[in-house]
Formats: sequence, structure tokens, C-alpha cells
Amino acid sequence: SAVISQKPSRDICQRGTSLTIQCQVDSQVTMMFWYRQQPGQSLTLIATANQGSEATYESGFVIDKFPISRPNLTFSTLTVSNMSPEDSSIYLCSVQDSSYNEQFFGPGTRLTVL
Amino acid sequence: KQEVTQIPAALSVPEGENLVLNCSFTDSAIYNLQWFRQDPGKGLTSLLLIQSSQREQTSGRLNASLDKSSGRSTLYIAASQPGDSATYLCAVFLDGSSNTGKLIFGQGTTLQVKP
Repeated sequence: SAVISQKPSRDICQRGTSLTIQCQVDSQVTMMFWYRQQPGQSLTLIATANQGSEATYESGFVIDKFPISRPNLTFSTLTVSNMSPEDSSIYLCSVQDSSYNEQFFGPGTRLTVL
Repeated sequence: KQEVTQIPAALSVPEGENLVLNCSFTDSAIYNLQWFRQDPGKGLTSLLLIQSSQREQTSGRLNASLDKSSGRSTLYIAASQPGDSATYLCAVFLDGSSNTGKLIFGQGTTLQVKP
């Protein structure tokens, strides 16, 4: 399985600011995704990070709020823009094994917005 | 719309006990089902993946079964240990969505194994 790292592991931010989260994979992968886990909730898919093109967003998530970059097959960033306390969550990136469609997740970024 | 439900929401057992976690889903048209483990404040660790054509998968003390027609999966943990304490999540991958990566997650079962 792929080894996935995320930076930062956690952060405390002020309302109105933006935070960029990085996701690095130790091998080239086609499919990379960003999920959100709000406190006490399960995971919700934000978007699919597409290499060389714009990300594909799920209903309820927009590019202005969650811009995503995917410059190559091993790296992606998610920015949480103009943050409010409601954005306090764990943000996780994941990759999908193309053989079995099994997903593997990074360690997550715990974001607290004051 | 696919919905995934996990019962119970929380479970506390003494060490050494065998236990079963339940997962149900409303739409049987799934591609596969995955069980994950999540420690507090951490990411997810994939435990078992069951393809829609399979009935069960085993890894060590863990055994996952799948009854696609009835929309149910179970995760059996044998001889539980305090280190098994975590939240267990099941997620289904919808048939036909192999290019979207969209897993539909249950709310999880939080397990505590007491020494």
C-alpha cells in the first residue's frame, strides 16, 4: 500500500485566514482525493484532485472555498479559504489502488479555527 | 441514495471477548466494501477490503463478511485486546463510480476493550 504523509498535522488558525494542507505520496497514483471529517461525524468527500486539470468537487463544496492543486502524480494541496469556526475538522487525503479500488488514507490534518 | 449504518455506535467489552460489529447499506449495487480503523484524532487504517463478488475476507484476528443481497457486512474480532480500542468505520464503494473514488461511510462503532 502507498505511504501517505500530510503537512501540517494540526494547526490553530484565526477566522478569515487561509490554510494550505499538503499531501505527499511515496509512489505515483492516478486517483487522489480530499475528505473532511467534522467533529463527531464520519467522512465526507470534498473533491477528486485531478492531475493536470481542475479538481472535481462534490455537491456542497466549491472551488473558491477549497481550491485544490495537483501538479504531479505524487503531490496535492488543499486550501481552506476564509476560514470560519465551522471549518474546524480533520482533513484527510486518500489515494486509490487502481487494481482493487482500495483506498488508503493519510494521517490527517486537524484544523481548529478560532 | 446510498446510506450506510453501523450498529452499535459504541461497544465496551472485557479483554479476550469475541465481538461482532455490524454495517448495513441501503443500495446493494456496490463495487466493494472496506473496513477501516481510526484511532482518536488520527487518519484511517485500511483493515479489510471485500469485493462485491466475495463473501468474506480474513486478516489475523479479523474476519469480515459480506451479504450483498441483504445489504449487510459484519466485522468479527476474535480474542479482543486493549490495543483494539478504536473507532471502526465501514465504507461502500458504489458500482459504476470506480472513477470517482467516492466512498460512502458509516458513522462508525467506537470500541473499548477493557484490560
